[in-house]
Amino acid sequence: RKEVEQDPGPFNVPEGATVAFNCTYSNSASQSFFWYRQDCRKEPKLLMSVYSSGNEDGRFTAQLNRASQYISLLIRDSKLSDSATYLCSGGYNKLIFGAGTRLAVHP
Amino acid sequence: IAGITQAPTSQILAAGRRMTLRCTQDMRHNAMYWYRQDLGLGLRLIHYSNTAGTTGKGEVPDGYSVSRANTDDFPLTLASAVPSQTSVYFCASSETGLAAYNEQFFGPGTRLTVL
Repeated sequence: RKEVEQDPGPFNVPEGATVAFNCTYSNSASQSFFWYRQDCRKEPKLLMSVYSSGNEDGRFTAQLNRASQYISLLIRDSKLSDSATYLCSGGYNKLIFGAGTRLAVHP
Repeated sequence: IAGITQAPTSQILAAGRRMTLRCTQDMRHNAMYWYRQDLGLGLRLIHYSNTAGTTGKGEVPDGYSVSRANTDDFPLTLASAVPSQTSVYFCASSETGLAAYNEQFFGPGTRLTVL
């Protein structure tokens, strides 16, 4: 089992939709979690950190569920520009990345 | 220079050749990393360095070596390239290497094809 797992998608949603991704992790000692966004043929860029109490940044909300060992990313009011691959990561000594979930927002 | 740069942008290499991928950062970050990204497998850590003068092995280190002579540079060397090393290689850095508490900043990547 991979240490960090994501549904690869793709998630095809219309503009304005709300979409959520989950990411499970197997190392219960993992301390830090992040969501990165990666556009096609580009480098990953940090979207947001995931705090224990959950956090929100505009249309994006990240949650951590330690009991079930997963993190989630909720995107409200999807825009065409949200189309990308979303990588979750978590770790204790080093960050382990998931393989990514592809989101395609269509008009 | 702003952030992390990598060179070359892309390379086609004959199997058996030696190749060094270059990575330079100007953020004075202590920690640096090399990842490879393959379809369906995501980012996999090859080697890392928590501070200048130290290096460590990641998840897939075989066939690769690194050095960290100073804070800014972290070259990755393929001593004798094989086709399975065809991939996109990303260099990254973070302020510290302690656990995974810090955001990682990525370079633009090097696309390597080994024939």
